[in-house]
Amino acid sequence: DAGVIQSPRHEVTEMGQEVTLRCKPISGHDYLFWYRQTMMRGLELLIYFNNNVPIDDSGMPEDRFSAKMPNASFSTLKIQPSEPRDSAVYFCASSPRDRVSGANVLTFGAGSRLTVL
Amino acid sequence: AQTVTQSQPEMSVQEAETVTLSCTYDTSESNYYLFWYKQPPSRQMILVIRQEAYKQQNATENRFSVNFQKAAKSFSLKISDSQLGDTAMYFCAFMKPITQGGSEKLVFGKGTKLTVNP
Repeated sequence: DAGVIQSPRHEVTEMGQEVTLRCKPISGHDYLFWYRQTMMRGLELLIYFNNNVPIDDSGMPEDRFSAKMPNASFSTLKIQPSEPRDSAVYFCASSPRDRVSGANVLTFGAGSRLTVL
Repeated sequence: AQTVTQSQPEMSVQEAETVTLSCTYDTSESNYYLFWYKQPPSRQMILVIRQEAYKQQNATENRFSVNFQKAAKSFSLKISDSQLGDTAMYFCAFMKPITQGGSEKLVFGKGTKLTVNP
């Protein structure tokens, strides 16, 4: 398996532009997570999906952020309009359900580094 | 809400030596999971080791082992025979399992930057 695949790897854009980050989870994984990493706040969970359904989006900073998972093999995180404070590394992760213990082990993608000028 | 604290922002160790990274957490739960993730300069987050709170035996993965002290809410990572490739950010993380009313969320500490010197 190729692992969790994210694109783009790097994105530089200007304030006000729309940004779309993409994620392909590992085949067969039930859960998909979007995290944001910054120096100040560390790793924060933005939203996660179970079987393509958003379960908890309480970490989404504001209405400028939206995430979708139209099918089991694809998810997007969109920022519109983007602002300089959105500059961060955005990680996608997926996991199967550990049906014995009830815990998940997350596999992360390589991240998308976003710079908003 | 659960919190995870890593009190050492940066550490360094000589190649082949042993180093211990600290992590404490705050929870009122009795059953949960703890993880150490490694983030090398490539940025990829890699699972190092996992511990289930109901297991008293400390988890071990090759050169990596943990010292899990449940009463003290402490979960330190020991790296033996450090290698240059161990240079990375190390994140401690907490999860409450869904079978205990959890929500699949991993809560991360702020990380410890480890440098292995030749």
